Amino acid sequence: DQQVKQNSPSLSVQEGRISILNCDYTNSMFDYFLWYKKYPAEGPTFLISISSIKDKNEDGRFTVFLNKSAKHLSLHIVPSQPGDSAVYFCAASAQTGANNLFFGTGTRLTVIP
Amino acid sequence: KAGVTQTPRYLIKTRGQQVTLSCSPISGHRSVSWYQQTPGQGLQFLFEYFSETQRNKGNFPGRFSGRQFSNSRSEMNVSTLELGDSALYLCASSYLTGTNVLTFGAGSRLTVL
Repeated sequence: DQQVKQNSPSLSVQEGRISILNCDYTNSMFDYFLWYKKYPAEGPTFLISISSIKDKNEDGRFTVFLNKSAKHLSLHIVPSQPGDSAVYFCAASAQTGANNLFFGTGTRLTVIP
Repeated sequence: KAGVTQTPRYLIKTRGQQVTLSCSPISGHRSVSWYQQTPGQGLQFLFEYFSETQRNKGNFPGRFSGRQFSNSRSEMNVSTLELGDSALYLCASSYLTGTNVLTFGAGSRLTVL
């Protein structure tokens, strides 16, 4: 049973435009959310995170929004750059004191120059 | 500093065999987690070790096991391989457990024939 879902397997965006990647979760016990980015032949790398006590977190071109009532989070990339082309994984944690994350299946972002 | 190193990077086994994968975490990191990545399921948590003790275990059969050594290096073993075990196995490390921000290795791609 997939507790974290990324319903869009792929997304294409023009360079300079906004990329919006979406993620839904079902477990109301999740209290910490992360986005990881993965390039081919590399492991995922941490991008940005948000605690359930917040509804927004920004880091440069990347902003994550959390809507707890809808059990939905999104990652906004503005402006999108060709180097952002990668697979983006949404992840969630329900437990402090352990490193077990629940990941979505990923969204492949392609930024077109 | 060196990242998370996983060996071997690629391997092919046949059904019924066993396999051992190795992970060397970032120097100073004491937590090592293992994840299985398959196209349909995304990344799924296998287990986490911290200071040689298993902290948490995912929903995988007992054929999947792991251990951590005193130098924080970790191994995972899969016995009686099945075709469905074909996947990318990712190791991730962090300084402490419960941080959720993990540094991943590039993975070991296992193909079971």
